[in-house]
Amino acid sequence: AQTVTQSQPEMSVQEAETVTLSCTYDTSENNYYLFWYKQPPSRQMILVIRQEAYKQQNATENRFSVNFQKAAKSFSLKISDSQLGDTAMYFCAFMTFHAGGTSYGKLTFGQGTILTVHP
Amino acid sequence: GAVVSQHPSWVICKSGTSVKIECRSLDFQATTMFWYRQFPKKSLMLMATSNEGSKATYEQGVEKDKFLINHASLTLSTLTVTSAHPEDSSFYICSAPEVGQFYEQYFGPGTRLTVT
Repeated sequence: AQTVTQSQPEMSVQEAETVTLSCTYDTSENNYYLFWYKQPPSRQMILVIRQEAYKQQNATENRFSVNFQKAAKSFSLKISDSQLGDTAMYFCAFMTFHAGGTSYGKLTFGQGTILTVHP
Repeated sequence: GAVVSQHPSWVICKSGTSVKIECRSLDFQATTMFWYRQFPKKSLMLMATSNEGSKATYEQGVEKDKFLINHASLTLSTLTVTSAHPEDSSFYICSAPEVGQFYEQYFGPGTRLTVT
């Protein structure tokens, strides 16, 4: 079974600064997806970024980028130029790549990191 | 992007009664939907996978007789919490991928259940 670990329960950052959220995972599979989701106070889950394990290039989405280290099973999220609207709980998540298996489509979430952006 | 709705957004029920939560994909078809449970400031825990036209598959430790799931159409899955107790109070979230695109899942806004 896959596990996802986020070791930072809470983080804070000043507006306009950069912050990095950590995530490690454990799997015996070679192909999979990794995600970062954001859950603001409204509790609506929002996809921040997705990384396919077979791609060596780190995914980026505007101010959000990841550092994907497959051998180390590490998947950190960097938020640049932090904004007040980035305040949320952030979840790292894992999904198997293989279609048809019993785990197909299931997301395994980490414990979450509460990020607070201060003005 | 695609939209998933949940109804109701919040519900209060008395202990011993049953409550139904709906999850709808509004502009796409979803043969599979997922139901999660979340406690305050905690992670999402997968409860079950809802499959259109067949029985749901439940995660280990989830009581299938308490949490009844029905996926009667390509756009609707329902979760019924039967004989609810205060410990069932939680935030329930569904997600749905478009057919063949499990890596692209859309989440509903969640339903807050309070059992008194």
